[in-house]
Amino acid sequence: DAGVTQSPTHLIKTRGQQVTLRCSPKSGHDTVSWYQQALGQGPQFIFQYYEEEERQRGNFPDRFSGHQFPNYSSELNVNALLLGDSALYLCASSFGADRDEQFFGPGTRLTVL
Amino acid sequence: DQQVKQNSPSLSVQEGRISILNCDYTNSMFDYFLWYKKYPAEGPTFLISISSIKDKNEDGRFTVFLNKSAKHLSLHIVPSQPGDSAVYFCAAKLDNYGQNFVFGPGTRLSVLP
Repeated sequence: DAGVTQSPTHLIKTRGQQVTLRCSPKSGHDTVSWYQQALGQGPQFIFQYYEEEERQRGNFPDRFSGHQFPNYSSELNVNALLLGDSALYLCASSFGADRDEQFFGPGTRLTVL
Repeated sequence: DQQVKQNSPSLSVQEGRISILNCDYTNSMFDYFLWYKKYPAEGPTFLISISSIKDKNEDGRFTVFLNKSAKHLSLHIVPSQPGDSAVYFCAAKLDNYGQNFVFGPGTRLSVLP
């Protein structure tokens, strides 16, 4: 049973560019949340997708947007990249949008130059 | 402004002894608390949770204690094993809705053989 998978593993972009990160949830899960983890910090909640809609959002600007597909996979898009967007981006899935236990993927390391 | 703090960046414990990881929070409205552990190159893994109506929750070798008046929680691991060596994150959320968790910066636990 495959767990949460994310692609790509690593990504290098330059300031001002746009990036799309992808996540496939664990089999049977219908909810996906995205987190940003800066070096030496804990994960910071970006947003949650459930039933193909953004259900909750953390304190992130509109440059961060997402999408959930009918097969529950999800994308995170970041526009107009800033140096400060360099971080590990984690995707987490669960069955149900209010569950405490989430299953995390290994993350995508984004470097903005 | 960090709402969830883990003031010890690292902790070393001898195998077989007790590990105590501490977490403090500033927002008295937090209602649910969780602990995750993270191995290198992997996403965080859910360990244990506690709601504010309880002061203790136990799962095998792991026990979480909550002191609401002190806005403090701790994770006890007894007995500690070398496989417990990982980064431990404390997380909190305001209510039972959604997954807008606020994570602390983590504590790196090293269990020495």
